[in-house]
Amino acid sequence: GQQLNQSPQSMFIQEGEDVSMNCTSSSIFNTWLWYKQDPGEGPVLLIALYKAGELTSNGRLTAQFGITRKDSFLNISASIPSDVGIYFCAGQLRRAGGGADGLTFGKGTHLIIQP
Amino acid sequence: GAVVSQHPSRVICKSGTSVKIECRSLDFQATTMFWYRQFPKQSLMLMATSNEGSKATYEQGVEKDKFLINHASLTLSTLTVTSAHPEDSSFYICSARGHSSYNEQFFGPGTRLTVL
Repeated sequence: GQQLNQSPQSMFIQEGEDVSMNCTSSSIFNTWLWYKQDPGEGPVLLIALYKAGELTSNGRLTAQFGITRKDSFLNISASIPSDVGIYFCAGQLRRAGGGADGLTFGKGTHLIIQP
Repeated sequence: GAVVSQHPSRVICKSGTSVKIECRSLDFQATTMFWYRQFPKQSLMLMATSNEGSKATYEQGVEKDKFLINHASLTLSTLTVTSAHPEDSSFYICSARGHSSYNEQFFGPGTRLTVL
């Protein structure tokens, strides 16, 4: 089956630093998504990428969909305390007749901000 | 918009009993809902895909007779964990997909199941 390799597993950074995490896949996905999950809650969509090579920003977040459709990175600039949480990449396939498959998630990157 | 709710948020049950979890799309019609399971400090794993008015499609390794899914309307899907055992204790999260051409999925807040 498809697997997403997400790294790093955890990051310890100082407030104000930039953050970078990435995901690679053994298979091609039609859509690549980045989510943030706080403890005890469901994941919240941060950025969705639909085209190979696409670079998209959402405030301090920037993500890119790799040309090969097998990788993506997420950058967070000037981190703040509320950025703490677990970040997941997820890949999605689109069915030929419409609709979409469920998501395949990476293992997550746990972001910890040191005071 | 695009709010998905789950009920209950937490449930504790005895081994051998059945538990029903509801997933509702509050402000949109969801033709497809997905059920995921997340064990502590692990990622979300897709369990099944639920389409309104038809049988659910289960991922490999997920027992359909143990995890009963019903998607009776465009705003409600239920997951019933039958004869629950301690190893079924997990965080169950649903997501709902609307009619957007981008096939975005909106996640519920999750249900924490603890089986004693």
